[in-house]
Amino acid sequence: QQPVQSPQAVILREGEDAVINCSSSKALYSVHWYRQKHGEAPVFLMILLKGGEQKGHEKISASFNEKKQQSSLYLTASQLSYSGTYFCGTERGQGAQKLVFGQGTRLTINP
Amino acid sequence: NAGVMQNPRHLVRRRGQEARLRCSPMKGHSHVYWYRQLPEEGLKFMVYLQKENIIDESGMPKERFSAEFPKEGPSILRIQQVVRGDSAAYFCASSPEVHSYNEQFFGPGTRLTVL
Repeated sequence: QQPVQSPQAVILREGEDAVINCSSSKALYSVHWYRQKHGEAPVFLMILLKGGEQKGHEKISASFNEKKQQSSLYLTASQLSYSGTYFCGTERGQGAQKLVFGQGTRLTINP
Repeated sequence: NAGVMQNPRHLVRRRGQEARLRCSPMKGHSHVYWYRQLPEEGLKFMVYLQKENIIDESGMPKERFSAEFPKEGPSILRIQQVVRGDSAAYFCASSPEVHSYNEQFFGPGTRLTVL
């Protein structure tokens, strides 16, 4: 039931691009993306809904393939501040629901 | 607008003691969620509450753990007779009234260490 994220870890140089994937075996209503730095709280990045609606930061882009139950987060021209662990959280239905999180993808950006 | 507040930020308990973790949601938010995070792992859902009601406690251990969100005051996660395996970071998140986007905003967490 837990979504699977890939890759588990990625190391980039500043300015490079990265794609982080999140796959579920269950039908989803929405996918949420968060970034967490070590010892800090997860920070909301983006939410993508079934049907195509999405809401999030202007500099972050993501996609949600409802048929495949997959979402991808696109990080372009990465900055040092992008470093952290990225989690996807999934919802099965509309309305206030618990999020089921993936195991995380650790992103390291080097200068 | 203050964010989600949690206290204490760090809590040390000996085995067998009780731990009380508090969470004040963002202003205007009436939904509270508690998640647990073990070191180097993802967040695991524990319980979802609205004012005076537990909506979903499917992630709560059957024994020793309880949660409440009273009409007045913060939400409380209570762990009785703590064991070493309870050591973790406990995060609460809040969301506003239900609408299309169920954005959940996380507090800074309480890091519980059981000696």
